[in-house]
Amino acid sequence: NAGVTQTPKFRILKIGQSMTLQCAQDMNHNYMYWYRQDPGMGLKLIYYSVGAGITDKGEVPNGYNVSRSTTEDFPLRLELAAPSQTSVYFCASSYRGLNYGYTFGSGTRLTVV
Amino acid sequence: QKEVEQNSGPLSVPEGAIASLNCTYSDRGSQSFFWYRQYSGKSPELIMFIYSNGDKEDGRFTAQLNKASQYVSLLIRDSQPSDSATYLCAVNTEGSQGNLIFGKGTKLSVKP
Repeated sequence: NAGVTQTPKFRILKIGQSMTLQCAQDMNHNYMYWYRQDPGMGLKLIYYSVGAGITDKGEVPNGYNVSRSTTEDFPLRLELAAPSQTSVYFCASSYRGLNYGYTFGSGTRLTVV
Repeated sequence: QKEVEQNSGPLSVPEGAIASLNCTYSDRGSQSFFWYRQYSGKSPELIMFIYSNGDKEDGRFTAQLNKASQYVSLLIRDSQPSDSATYLCAVNTEGSQGNLIFGKGTKLSVKP
């Protein structure tokens, strides 16, 4: 049972480049989330999804896009990378969202130079 | 703006002592409360959750919730050096579309 799998673990991007952060879960969770964590700033919600085909913006969605074509996968797309997107990105999933804790992936450390 | 506040620390306690971590939240409609532990360079790991006023115990960990005071705490008894980590408080608030709002975390250091 792999839980929540994120790839890649590390990535360096140049300003203006694009990339996709992959996230997959094998727990049949309906809810999936993308957070970013900056030093001393806590976790900020970027996008979330309550099921296949349904996505919505979180607190800090600008510069990102998501899709949810299957229950298992929830990729995060960065378009035109900027230094402000340097962060650690965590994908998480939960069974129903409201009263259930999240299971987090191991994270992707992204640096934009 | 819904907020979850934690003292950033560091909180330093000697090995074997009780560590007390505190969290306040702004939304009275909050329904569920979570404590995550995050080791440096690692992802958050759920250690406790609580929904009802009062105490909830799980091994060396006790979560305490007081909805009237909008306050949730985590007690760690017999603290060990392996408990040294950042502890994140997370709250489900009505205004967050059912998603969790995280505090910035309290860094705990347990000294041998």
